[in-house]
Amino acid sequence: KAGVTQTPRYLIKTRGQQVTLSCSPISGHRSVSWYQQTPGQGLQFLFEYFSETQRNKGNFPGRFSGRQFSNSRSEMNVSTLELGDSALYLCASRDLTPTSGGADPYEQYFGPGTRLTVT
Amino acid sequence: AQSVAQPEDQVNVAEGNPLTVKCTYSVSGNPYLFWYVQYPNRGLQFLLKYITGDNLVKGSYGFEAEFNKSQTSFHLKKPSALVSDSALYFCAVRDGIYNQGGKLIFGQGTELSVKP
Repeated sequence: KAGVTQTPRYLIKTRGQQVTLSCSPISGHRSVSWYQQTPGQGLQFLFEYFSETQRNKGNFPGRFSGRQFSNSRSEMNVSTLELGDSALYLCASRDLTPTSGGADPYEQYFGPGTRLTVT
Repeated sequence: AQSVAQPEDQVNVAEGNPLTVKCTYSVSGNPYLFWYVQYPNRGLQFLLKYITGDNLVKGSYGFEAEFNKSQTSFHLKKPSALVSDSALYFCAVRDGIYNQGGKLIFGQGTELSVKP
């Protein structure tokens, strides 16, 4: 199976702009989580979606939002960008379907990330 | 609140020597612990997990981890380090239980450097 894919891989934006990042999970995986990675704060959970519903949310301002489509692809949006939003944004998927045979719901598979630079 | 700590920012070992990357945890209830590795400009790769069962967990690329409940530790180990093991290693704990979220809480990471 193909792995988790994220687009774009690199992005440069200006303060005040908004940005949309995309994540395609592994085929058959219906759960998608987003994380922000920065040198200062490390890896922090943003949110998780399952079957188009947000089921968990981290401690980020409302400028950070996300959604999931019926094909399990997910997008996250950051509005009114700030310099501190510069980070590597990682997406992870996992298989929560009990009938998948051998699926381990505890294992999350990460994509390569989108490197966002805000100037 | 669940948390993990990686007390060492960097670990240096010589190729062929055993390596240990330390992790301690603080959880309420049973811990669900993970190790991930990150190579430059790459996402995280899953190495191994402890959910329940044997305290010694074997994972990918020859890595293993020892769960110690009394010391609340989950150290990552490898008997013989390779230069290609040089990377950033993260310990993580699951926040919440299965079917109530996939949120992982990560440690700050430990940079492993293996010299020839």
